[in-house]
This record gives sequence, structure tokens and C-alpha cells, in this order.
Amino acid sequence: TQLLEQSPQFLSIQEGENLTVYCNSSSVFSSLQWYRQEPGEGPVLLVTVVTGGEVKKLKRLTFQFGDARKDSSLHITAAQPGDTGLYLCAGDFNDYKLSFGAGTTVTVRA
Amino acid sequence: NAGVTQTPKFQVLKTGQSMTLQCAQDMNHNSMYWYRQDPGMGLRLIYYSASEGTTDKGEVPNGYNVSRLNKREFSLRLESAAPSQTSVYFCASSPWPDRPKAFFGQGTRLTVV
Repeated sequence: TQLLEQSPQFLSIQEGENLTVYCNSSSVFSSLQWYRQEPGEGPVLLVTVVTGGEVKKLKRLTFQFGDARKDSSLHITAAQPGDTGLYLCAGDFNDYKLSFGAGTTVTVRA
Repeated sequence: NAGVTQTPKFQVLKTGQSMTLQCAQDMNHNSMYWYRQDPGMGLRLIYYSASEGTTDKGEVPNGYNVSRLNKREFSLRLESAAPSQTSVYFCASSPWPDRPKAFFGQGTRLTVV
């Protein structure tokens, strides 16, 4: 059983469209992170959110941490083919371990 | 900028064979991790080492052993490989006790036949 549930599992959109990926849990996390992974590579950290209700922006990517620190979302505005990849959320309980969701595969068609 | 280096990148083993996956980081991080990634299951933690000299089991430790050789190196050993261990293995490091932010290697694609 995954501690973190991501939805949807797959997402295919046209270039220029917007998309949102969700990460949900029944547990309260100390922090939550988003990673992007490209084929044949390891995941790369995009952002860490720590405070309930926090919103962070990274160019066209907007990350939000839920008020109760149990969920998060990643919104991409005007998606581009370069945004294609596997998006993973990960949470920690203020210990040494990170628990990952199963990931959302995003495909942006030109 | 080496970061986290894993060797080998690819490996094919026969059932019952043993092998060690090597991992080294040059960022002076305290914590190191081994994950496996299978389709539709994300990354599952096999073992981790919070600091030099300590190791602990993660979610899926059965069939694996680890050694934290020094602060830089953390190896993963399969004593008797099984087809169920076919997977992509990732090593990661983190500057804990700073906020956990994992830096990953490029992975080892292991096939057990």
C-alpha cells in the first residue's frame, strides 16, 4: 500500500494546455517534495514545500501544499513538450526516510 | 560535478548468482539510500543509512544487504538473485539533518533470468 497516492497515473495533453497532478495521503507530513524523472535518469528535485497552505512557483509550475499537510498539487500552465516526464511526489515524517508516490506520467504532444 | 555515481549501469544475472551494486557521493552528505523502481509502483525504499556507521531496513529489505563503507560509499548486495529482483535500482544521498532533499544517481538496470 502506497503511503502517497498520485493521480492521475497517466496524462496526455496538447502543447499549450494546462494540467494538474495530485498527491494525497492520510498521513501528515513534515515536508513534501516533487521530483521529475526522465527516461534512463534518476529523479531530480523540483521543489520542497514545508508549511501548510504554502504555494511555490517555478516558472510555469505551481506547487501547493494542503492546509493539513496531507496533500499537494502540481499545476503546469501552458505545457511544453519539454515538460514530458514522470512526476513523483515524496513526503517525510521528519525522519531520515522519504516515501514516494507511484508517479504520474505526463506526455505533452507538440 | 559527479554528485551520486552508481556502477554498473546495466547487469544481467542468473538466478542464484550474487552481486554488489556500488554507490558513491561527493557532496559530503550524511544520509544515503537504496531504492528500487518498478512500473506503476514508484520508488520503494530498500535500505537506508542515516549516517556513517548506521544502516536500517526500509519497506522491501528481504533478499538484500547493505554496507556503509565510509561517508561517501554505500553498497547494496544481492546474495542469491531471484527474478523478482529484476528492477531499476537507484542510490540517493541527502544532507540530513537539513531538510530531506534526495539527490539520485542514474540507476542500475538489473535483470535476473
